[in-house]
Amino acid sequence: AQKVTQAQTEISVVEKEDVTLDCVYETRDTTYYLFWYKQPPSGELVFLIRRNSFDEQNEISGRYSWNFQKSTSSFNFTITASQVVDSAVYFCALKGRIGNEKLTFGTGTRLTIIP
Amino acid sequence: NAGVTQTPKFQVLKTGQSMTLQCAQDMNHEYMSWYRQDPGMGLRLIHYSVGAGITDQGEVPNGYNVSRSTTEDFPLRLLSAAPSQTSVYFCASSPRGRGGEKLFFGSGTQLSVL
Repeated sequence: AQKVTQAQTEISVVEKEDVTLDCVYETRDTTYYLFWYKQPPSGELVFLIRRNSFDEQNEISGRYSWNFQKSTSSFNFTITASQVVDSAVYFCALKGRIGNEKLTFGTGTRLTIIP
Repeated sequence: NAGVTQTPKFQVLKTGQSMTLQCAQDMNHEYMSWYRQDPGMGLRLIHYSVGAGITDQGEVPNGYNVSRSTTEDFPLRLLSAAPSQTSVYFCASSPRGRGGEKLFFGSGTQLSVL
């Protein structure tokens, strides 16, 4: 069985602060894929990143960075110099082995950036 | 590009009514799925399909039916709506690549059952 845990239900930070969203996962598959999606107040789901289990390189995209650690089964997401537009619900998700197309989501973290 | 199109965007039903949520994609994706989003529970998989004529149950299938007669369409049917089915519903699709393909989501349908 697959499981994704986002222990932080809600986070509020003041604009320009850095913030890290935690994601811990469980899977028995040796090949798997991790995702982050953003859901802004408008409600759509926006793809942010995908990482496969064989690639533990950290990724940076502008103010966003992701830290993948297989040893701790974590795939954390950091926003540097947060902005009001970053306010959203962020979901971490896991997809198992090839052929298993089901995506298991965490419960999400609601991030509020205070101006 | 239209991507994944869901209709309607909003719907109010009375308990016991039936209805169909429509989902269509124009990307020739093999995989399609339906999720429901409830407060504090994230997104949970209802049903999915890996190709025309093939469907399977997800985590919360009770009270819902699906069919996949074409690659493009994957409607979700509520047979007899219940207040517990009040939720936001998302349809998603992805290609069947080498694995780990990202899901493309529709804009969602907000359903209220009174």
